[in-house]
Amino acid sequence: NFMLTQPHSVSESPGKTVIISCTRSSGSIASNYVQWYQQRPGSVPSVVIYDTNQRPSGVPDRFSGSIDSSSNSASLTISGLKTEDEADYYCQSYDSSTSWVFGGGTKLTVL
Amino acid sequence: QVTLRESGPALVKPTQTLTLTCTFSGFLLSRSGMTVNWIRQPPGKALEWLARIDWDYDKFYSTSLKTRLTISKDTSKNQVVLTMTRMDPVDTATYYCARMSSTYFDYWGQGTLVTVSS
Repeated sequence: NFMLTQPHSVSESPGKTVIISCTRSSGSIASNYVQWYQQRPGSVPSVVIYDTNQRPSGVPDRFSGSIDSSSNSASLTISGLKTEDEADYYCQSYDSSTSWVFGGGTKLTVL
Repeated sequence: QVTLRESGPALVKPTQTLTLTCTFSGFLLSRSGMTVNWIRQPPGKALEWLARIDWDYDKFYSTSLKTRLTISKDTSKNQVVLTMTRMDPVDTATYYCARMSSTYFDYWGQGTLVTVSS
């Protein structure tokens, strides 16, 4: 089993760029795809990035995903921040010993 | 269109068994590659994956909860059922069912809040 660790919170101003990290505790981050979900207050999560760096249709290209093997981390980058991006963001990946693992979530504040 | 809806008791007592039903439409769980998962979220806390059942009846459980969970499906009724034994107040959460047809959860139910209290 492994854990995915995210910063508890990040904040940035509208129009700026923010990067949210997701660090895998053991095993290579590159071993399995990473997904990112956005959950606005009172709403159901929805995917913004799948297969590490793919955007579903309807998700703006301000959202992008990547991995960094040197830090064993995945990152979600949101550029041109808008107030509507304020939400909780969760990373998720696959654990062959059980199935799916979520990170602890990051609260993004756009102020 | 694809929809999923969770149903079950809003309140259970400690030590009781919780039974939740996910009723879905718009897809076939018998189709190769399709899975239905249960995920929960305690108030103000993170998502936690619980269990999954695949189109071929394969079942997978969270390592930390597997002794308490059972997942099953009734393909004819388009339902997936999750039971969780020995409920405790820390199990208070919104329970979601979610479909996965490729590598991510693409459709979610609205969730059902289950409170564990005497």
